[in-house]
This record gives sequence, structure tokens and C-alpha cells, in this order.
Amino acid sequence: DVKVTQSSRYLVKRTGEKVFLECVQDMDHENMFWYRQDPGLGLRLIYFSYDVKMKEKGDIPEGYSVSREKKERFSLILESASTNQTSMYLCASSPTTMYNEQFFGPGTRLTVL
Amino acid sequence: ELKVEQNPLFLSMQEGKNYTIYCNYSTTSDRLYWYRQDPGKSLESLFVLLSNGAVKQEGRLMASLDTKARLSTLHITAAVHDLSATYFCAVERSWTGNQFYFGTGTSLTVIP
Repeated sequence: DVKVTQSSRYLVKRTGEKVFLECVQDMDHENMFWYRQDPGLGLRLIYFSYDVKMKEKGDIPEGYSVSREKKERFSLILESASTNQTSMYLCASSPTTMYNEQFFGPGTRLTVL
Repeated sequence: ELKVEQNPLFLSMQEGKNYTIYCNYSTTSDRLYWYRQDPGKSLESLFVLLSNGAVKQEGRLMASLDTKARLSTLHITAAVHDLSATYFCAVERSWTGNQFYFGTGTSLTVIP
């Protein structure tokens, strides 16, 4: 089974703090993704990566950055957390094959006070 | 920008009834995915639809894809309480590195 893990299930931070969210996958997938999920808005793509050290902006990259130093690990960084970044953050990974089903981690619920 | 619309957003149905969830999208795509999310949990893959006319079935759920109409449906047959969850469709933009666009989700509640 594909396994995608995220470093924390719940996180509480203060405005202005630097926040790191870690994601690790164990299936040697090339592609990794960070989404945020908010009620009524579905899932929105923040950043994705199709290879080590490669990154592409998604639809809502402002206020976020990412790092992918190793194939299995994809980190999301909130440089200076703000209250409007309170959300559920979901990481996913997928292979580059005939079909590219994305497999999701359990999510991190981040609250910024 | 690719837009994906699901309807209904909320669905309350009685056990034993049938219903269909619709997923419309705005630009050409041949690949569509359905996911299920239980409260407080992550997304679980249900179906992968790869071409026009594709139909997949698992238990009481059946998904289909019409790429010409840019429409996918998720049909629920004889609903049971265990199907209560939020269902998302996602359209893949394969020419941009596997980027998915998700619908807003349909929250399904099955009432005994």
C-alpha cells in the first residue's frame, strides 16, 4: 500500500511564526503536491513538485514556499503565518505512469492565532 | 483556468434510494478521478476514469465519464448509511505535470 505521512495531525501557531509542514511518501513517486482544504472551496493546489529540487506554483502559492531535497520528502513552509492560513493542509503523491492517481496523507489541521 | 463544478453540494437521502452526483468541467480532459472523504479524515481514491465512455463500479457506487459533454456522474444505488461522506471529483490537466482540479465536493448524508 502507498503510504503518505504528514508530520503533525494538529498544529497551533502564532501570527508571524515560521511554520514547517513535512510530508513523506514511501512509494518512490515522482510527483508530490500540497493542497489546502477550506469549507465550500474544495481543495486548492498550493505547490507541486515533479522531481527533486523542482517545484511549480499551483493556484494559491502566495505566502507559501516549498522544499524538495529528497525524492520522498516534500516540505511546505509558511514564512510568516497569518490567521487566513488557518486551514487543513493535505499532501499527496503520485507516480508518472499511464494514470496518475494521487494518494493523500492524513492531513494537518493548522490553526494560526 | 479549468473549472470543476459539482452538484448538488449537499445531499440528504433515505436508505434504499438511488441518486446521482454530477461533475462538470470546463476544458478538455480525458482523465477524471473520484474520491471519498469521511469527516476528519483524508481523501480515499474511489475511481479512476481514463477515457470517454469509461464506466467503473464498486459495490453500490458507479462512475461514468463523457468527455464530449465534459461530464462525469457518480451514481448511488440503494444507499446505505455507510455511504455518508463527502465525495469529490478531480480533473487532471495532464499536460501540466499531473495537476488536479477538484470540485467543491458533495456532502452526502444517508438517513435510516
